[in-house]
Amino acid sequence: GIQVEQSPPDLILQEGANSTLRCNFSDSVNNLQWFHQNPWGQLINLFYIPSGTKQNGRLSATTVATERYSLLYISSSQTTDSGVYFCAVLVGFKTIFGAGTRLFVKA
Amino acid sequence: EPEVTQTPSHQVTQMGQEVILRCVPISNHLYFYWYRQILGQKVEFLVSFYNNEISEKSEIFDDQFSVERPDGSNFTLKIRSTKLEDSAMYFCASRSGGSETQYFGPGTRLLVL
Repeated sequence: GIQVEQSPPDLILQEGANSTLRCNFSDSVNNLQWFHQNPWGQLINLFYIPSGTKQNGRLSATTVATERYSLLYISSSQTTDSGVYFCAVLVGFKTIFGAGTRLFVKA
Repeated sequence: EPEVTQTPSHQVTQMGQEVILRCVPISNHLYFYWYRQILGQKVEFLVSFYNNEISEKSEIFDDQFSVERPDGSNFTLKIRSTKLEDSAMYFCASRSGGSETQYFGPGTRLLVL
């Protein structure tokens, strides 16, 4: 089956720093979403981005479907950005999540 | 803004007992999903549901699991005879027919003793 790999697995940032999270997938997919799981366990939609680039405030994402990867950019990080960032791909009716990148932003 | 809701937020049960987890998807959504997340691990797909039938299920979704949409608003996951390894957070999600974006509920944390 399709493999979804995220890197880095863990990331520690100083508040105000920028970061790039990566998601690689092993085969063609119907769509790709980025989620933020906050420290309370809630899964929050960030982007639905099967291809191209989108921006929402300090966050932006780019998916290059032909090269099977997606990037999530976080600029001017804040302590509230802490949590786990997951990418998830849809293959048919099945959604496959990556293992996530655990981000901790220090004040 | 409409949101997916789940009840209960927490449930503790004894091994071998049946549990029913409830979800109310967003009202005009047509596709429904259940996922689970064992503590500290990634989110795992269990099942997708459309037009009153299962669209796809994972290898985790064995005979002890079932899903139902008993009325126009609720979507339930039943675990017939719980095992210790069923302890996890269970998320429900839904999406509309015109969008691929899935919206997740807050989850039910299930603890099997």
